[in-house]
Amino acid sequence: DAGVIQSPRHEVTEMGQEVTLRCKPISGHDYLFWYRQTMMRGLELLIYFNNNVPIDDSGMPEDRFSAKMPNASFSTLKIQPSEPRDSAVYFCASSLGLAGALRPTDTQYFGPGTRLTVL
Amino acid sequence: AQKVTQAQTEISVVEKEDVTLDCVYETRDTTYYLFWYKQPPSGELVFLIRRNSFDEQNEISGRYSWNFQKSTSSFNFTITASQVVDSAVYFCALSEYRYRPGNQGGKLIFGQGTELSVKP
Repeated sequence: DAGVIQSPRHEVTEMGQEVTLRCKPISGHDYLFWYRQTMMRGLELLIYFNNNVPIDDSGMPEDRFSAKMPNASFSTLKIQPSEPRDSAVYFCASSLGLAGALRPTDTQYFGPGTRLTVL
Repeated sequence: AQKVTQAQTEISVVEKEDVTLDCVYETRDTTYYLFWYKQPPSGELVFLIRRNSFDEQNEISGRYSWNFQKSTSSFNFTITASQVVDSAVYFCALSEYRYRPGNQGGKLIFGQGTELSVKP
C-alpha cells in the first residue's frame, strides 16, 4: 500500500515567492495533518483536517500560511509571500482516527517531508 | 499543559551495546497516548509504537523494548544489542483525548528528539 505522498521533496525559492506544498494522504484516512520541523522549534503541528474540513489551525504561524483540502486525497500548504525564516522541513501525516479510542487507528503516518529553503 | 521532555540530546554508543532513550511527559488528562517515532538520516518519520494510558504493560519487539511507568510519567525506549542501522533521531510524542466540547484531542506533542549514533 502506498504511504503518504508529498511533493516536491525539495524546494528552493527566493524570498517573496509563493510556495505550494502538496500531500496525498493514505487512502481511507479521515485525518490529515501538516507539521513543520526546524532546529529551533522541533516538530510542531500547523493545522489538521477531518473529512476535508480544517479543525484546528492554531499552529499556523501567520496569514502568509494557508492550507486547503479540496478532496479526500489531496491537500496543499501554501506560503505567500515566503520568507527565509520559513525554511524548514514540512511533513504531512494522515490517520484513520484521532486519539480517543482504544484502537490503533489514531496512529499518524508521516510522509517523507518537503525540505523548503527560502533564500 | 502538555509537554514531552527528552533530556538526552545526543547519545553515542558502540555497536552491540544496549542503550535507553528517556522520555518524560506532562499531562492533566487521565486518558492519553504515547508514541515513539524514528527519523533516520534519510529524513522520514517512521512510527514505532503506540501506548495508551490504561496499559502499563511493557512491550518488546525484537531488539526494541518500551517501559511505561505512570508513577514517574515516563515512557523509556531501550534498544538491545544496538546496530549501526539504529542510528537516527528518535522522537517521543504525546496525544491527549478530551471528552469536552470542542475536542482537540489527537494532536501530537513531540519531544525535542534524541540523536542516537551507533558506531561500528
